[in-house]
Amino acid sequence: GAGVSQSPSNKVTEKGKDVELRCDPISGHTALYWYRQSLGQGLEFLIYFQGNSAPDKSGLPSDRFSAERTGGSVSTLTIQRTQQEDSAVYLCASSKGRAGNTEAFFGQGTRLTVV
Amino acid sequence: AQRVTQPEKLLSVFKGAPVELKCNYSYSGSPELFWYVQYSRQRLQLLLRHISRESIKGFTADLNKGETSFHLKKPFAQEEDSAMYYCALKKGGGADGLTFGKGTHLIIQP
Repeated sequence: GAGVSQSPSNKVTEKGKDVELRCDPISGHTALYWYRQSLGQGLEFLIYFQGNSAPDKSGLPSDRFSAERTGGSVSTLTIQRTQQEDSAVYLCASSKGRAGNTEAFFGQGTRLTVV
Repeated sequence: AQRVTQPEKLLSVFKGAPVELKCNYSYSGSPELFWYVQYSRQRLQLLLRHISRESIKGFTADLNKGETSFHLKKPFAQEEDSAMYYCALKKGGGADGLTFGKGTHLIIQP
């Protein structure tokens, strides 16, 4: 299909391990977002990529979190030395990024469980 | 910085009753406002946006700049409306990211 694809759909990891979450946006979408969804916290912004501009990293909760977007397409969110409070659903979204046509299309999410 | 506030974490109404999900925002410019919905076991998806002035699934939302609100309304709730609803703001005219509220869980009781 042509939607936003995230992998893996589920990830269980041990506390202290590193994890990588992948997002394949819709082809041609210049904007890509990462959010974290947890009970009681709603949708927490993490990072935003727009074209070749410097990403907006203002939502990353700590320096254990980082993200890359290679070639303006695929993005990887990396969490180092995972903690139990990192357990959540990580959502990726993409949009055309142009004003007036800015619907964000979401992936199905990666459910991360840190044990 | 912009902020979106959804004061109700949970809203429960009976089928056929009117529904209003509140959303207030803070932003000094002219924002774009959206409502997103997530049904059980489905992806988060766009419900409606203020610039379209449309009614989707019976829902409408009017941007009130004076009150900085974008409340979502439906005159007669249906059971299939049960879902998480998120209000979102995007700075107008640019390519900045979306800011979401914490969401309201709407439950429609039979």
